[in-house]
Formats: sequence, C-alpha cells, structure tokens
Amino acid sequence: EIVLTQSPATLSLSPGERATLSCRASQSVTSYLAWYQQRPGQAPRLLIYDASNRATGIPARFSGSGSGTDFTLTISSLEPEDFAVYYCQQRSNSYTFGQGTKLEIK
Amino acid sequence: QVQLVESGGGVVQPGRSLRLSCAASGFTFNNYGMHWVRQAPAKGLEWVAVVSYDGITKYYADSVKGRFTISRDNSKDTLYLQMNSLRAEDTAVYYCVRCTGIICSSSWFDPWGQGTLVTVSS
Repeated sequence: EIVLTQSPATLSLSPGERATLSCRASQSVTSYLAWYQQRPGQAPRLLIYDASNRATGIPARFSGSGSGTDFTLTISSLEPEDFAVYYCQQRSNSYTFGQGTKLEIK
Repeated sequence: QVQLVESGGGVVQPGRSLRLSCAASGFTFNNYGMHWVRQAPAKGLEWVAVVSYDGITKYYADSVKGRFTISRDNSKDTLYLQMNSLRAEDTAVYYCVRCTGIICSSSWFDPWGQGTLVTVSS
C-alpha cells in the first residue's frame, strides 16, 4: 500500500498570507496525485488533479506541483473560505489518502 | 446539476447488516464508475470500494473485503453498498463519489455526495 504523509498536521496563517502544504508518498506515484478541500460540515471537493491541474471552478490562487514522491499545494493569498482541511490522494496503486492538513486562522 | 444523495445510514449492532443507497441525477449514470469513501468521526478519508460503469468490475479495500459488496442498478441510477458483519470500526460517514471519467483507475473523485452516517454500536 502506498502511504501518503502530509505536513504539517496543522498550519496557522492569516488571511492574505501564502500557504504551502506538503504531501510525500512512500513510493513514486508519478503525477497521479490529487488534492481535496473539506470545509467543516461539508463533503470534500476536488481542487487539483494530476498533481498540477486545477479542477473546474477552482480559483487561480490554488496551485499544485511535484512528481514522483514529493508534492505541494500552494494557496497564494488566503481567503476566509480557504480555512479548511486539505487531503492529498493517489491513484497510482489502488487509492489512498493522506491524513490531512488543517489550515486554521491565526 | 450533478447530485448524489446517500441514504440508509443509521445505528446498527455489531455483526448485523445494513445497505446504503446513493441516488444519482444530473448526469448519465451508466457512463461513470462510482466509489464509496468513508470518514470515521474526526478522522481522515478512507477509500472503501469502486464499481465500473457497467457494474462488472469491482474492487475493495482490504478492511472491508469479504464483508461489503458494491453494486449498481443503472436502470434506477442508483449505487449500493451492502455491509455485512459490521464492526465498531466501520462507524463513519459514507460518501458516494463519482469518478471523473468512465475508467475510475485513470480518473479522480468528483463530485461527492453529502454522506450518510453509519454507527455500529450495541
């Protein structure tokens, strides 16, 4: 099983700041990695797929990068609605999710 | 627009069974594979099972293999999850999720239903 490890577990930032979230895979997933956002009380939604492609309707402040085992989700300037939990997920070998990074207001 | 509405959750005793349903609308159901994903209280996401667009190919997480069965009725635009021999650790919100393409192994999870809560407790 491919294990995805996200860091940090919690990230405390203020609106307008830049957020950088990390996801590391236990073995290469090439570019078969996605990012999801889950707001409190809501279902997750797809943000980024194939490591760097924004899903339909996702604002340009969200960007993804990386390949192989190391990936990054960047939010260039935080809006109030961006404070949520973010999960990475791979589909290279079955399907697994990271444990999540909680982005909270500082 | 695309809608996925889960139902069938509730409180069930360990060892008993439960069947979840997911009613799909707003898209051509038999053109997409479908997943079930669960989330234990205050925990992360865990993939449970996937079924191909035609209902023929199915895969399961090791944690549910042999106990859960995913199926679909394309004439009713409905996805199912039959859960047998339930355990306390199966307690979770269960989400119905569409694959972004016809082949789930080459696509992603989107959109998600709002989920249905299953609580396994005596």
